[in-house]
Amino acid sequence: DTEVTQTPKHLVMGMTNKKSLKCEQHMGHRAMYWYKQKAKKPPELMFVYSYEKLSINESVPSRFSPECPNSSLLNLHLHALQPEDSALYLCASSQATGLWTEAFFGQGTRLTVV
Amino acid sequence: AQSVSQHNHHVILSEAASLELGCNYSYGGTVNLFWYVQYPGQHLQLLLKYFSGDPLVKGIKGFEAEFIKSKFSFNLRKPSVQWSDTAEYFCAGTLSGSARQLTFGSGTQLTVLP
Repeated sequence: DTEVTQTPKHLVMGMTNKKSLKCEQHMGHRAMYWYKQKAKKPPELMFVYSYEKLSINESVPSRFSPECPNSSLLNLHLHALQPEDSALYLCASSQATGLWTEAFFGQGTRLTVV
Repeated sequence: AQSVSQHNHHVILSEAASLELGCNYSYGGTVNLFWYVQYPGQHLQLLLKYFSGDPLVKGIKGFEAEFIKSKFSFNLRKPSVQWSDTAEYFCAGTLSGSARQLTFGSGTQLTVLP
């Protein structure tokens, strides 16, 4: 199983809503990532978890709150988002962080903030 | 700053034409390099990767890439493209400097005309 599964595939939310994105992998990977991708742009790293601990936060606004409940799951909690936060949110995992490892990406959640 | 760059933003080819997409990186230390493809509406898929060893790397779907350390390049090639190769192509690298996280180039949109 080399899949990273993300749910939901599409999400429309209002600026006052609270929602969560979920990501799951069963490859035994100990590093998990959240990326944000705008149309026609490359993915931008948001957060990195290594062994279930947050190791990198790329200056992401606090309205995005990551959580790693266990080694297979990664959540992204959303609250009070802005329309400019509309994007494709990608989850990825790898055996470890850094060199000598490749990342596997999920299909993404396409988020629209209205 | 460590970076990965792609200078071809949009490439248009006819079927059976040969393809070469450019990728350069800006770091002189240890690098791991990757090419990902993103078909319309789909997730990122790994085409090929270079960690060490033979600088000519063969990937899936008939793609290959050559790591040329002296030119800081990792260009993607395919001898004969098909309409189904129409997609966005991202070069990415993990560089051994302080960041040590996957960094993406800006992407190249390939359109193959039937």
